[in-house]
Amino acid sequence: GAVVSQHPSRVICKSGTSVKIECRSLDFQATTMFWYRQFPKQSLMLMATSNEGSKATYEQGVEKDKFLINHASLTLSTLTVTSAHPEDSSFYICSAWGRGSYNEQFFGPGTRLTVL
Amino acid sequence: EDQVTQSPEALRLQEGESSSLNCSYTVSGLRGLFWYRQDPGKGPEFLFTLYSAGEEKEKERLKATLTKKESFLHITAPKPEDSATYLCAVIRGDKIIFGKGTRLHILP
Repeated sequence: GAVVSQHPSRVICKSGTSVKIECRSLDFQATTMFWYRQFPKQSLMLMATSNEGSKATYEQGVEKDKFLINHASLTLSTLTVTSAHPEDSSFYICSAWGRGSYNEQFFGPGTRLTVL
Repeated sequence: EDQVTQSPEALRLQEGESSSLNCSYTVSGLRGLFWYRQDPGKGPEFLFTLYSAGEEKEKERLKATLTKKESFLHITAPKPEDSATYLCAVIRGDKIIFGKGTRLHILP
C-alpha cells in the first residue's frame, strides 16, 4: 500500500522556539494532505487540510498563525508550530488519500512534540 | 451534525474470548466508513473500508460489518497482539471524521 512518512519522529524544544514537521508521500502524489493532533488516550482531531499550491484550510478553533502549513509539492507538506508552548506538546499525525481515491487514507507514523 | 460514536470506550477480554466493537454514525449520504487500528505512539493502520449496508469484510481474526446506522468490528478468538485502540471513521467531504476509539486489551 501507499506509504506516508514523517520527520522527525520525536522532537523536544524550548518554549518560544518554532518546530517544523515534514510529511511525505513516498510512492504516490498527494494533492491533499491532512494534519491531525492527538492527545493521550484521545482520538485524532483534524487540524487542517493542506492543499498543494494553495492555502491550507483550518478547522474551527485551530490558530492558523500558530500552526503554519505549507504544501510545497505533490509529495511534501510541512507543519510549523510557531513560538511553541508546553500546551502545544502533543502527537501530530499527517495523512493522505492513496492514489487520488477515497478507498484508503494512509497515515504517517506521527511526530511526538514535547515543549519544555 | 455528522457524528461518529464508538462503544465501549475500553474493553478487556481474555485470550480467545470473542467480542464486538460498535461504531454508530449519523452522516447524510454515507460515502465510506473506515476501521483503523492504532498502537501506542504510532499512526493509525488501515484495516477496512465499507461502503454500503450489508457489506462485510474480513482480515484474519477481524470482521467488519455495516448497517444503515452502525458498523461492528467482530474479533474472533483474539490474541494478546490484537491489543490496540480501534478507530472508526466516516468520510465527510474530502475529510474523514474519527470516533473516539475503543481501547482493546487482550489478557493472556
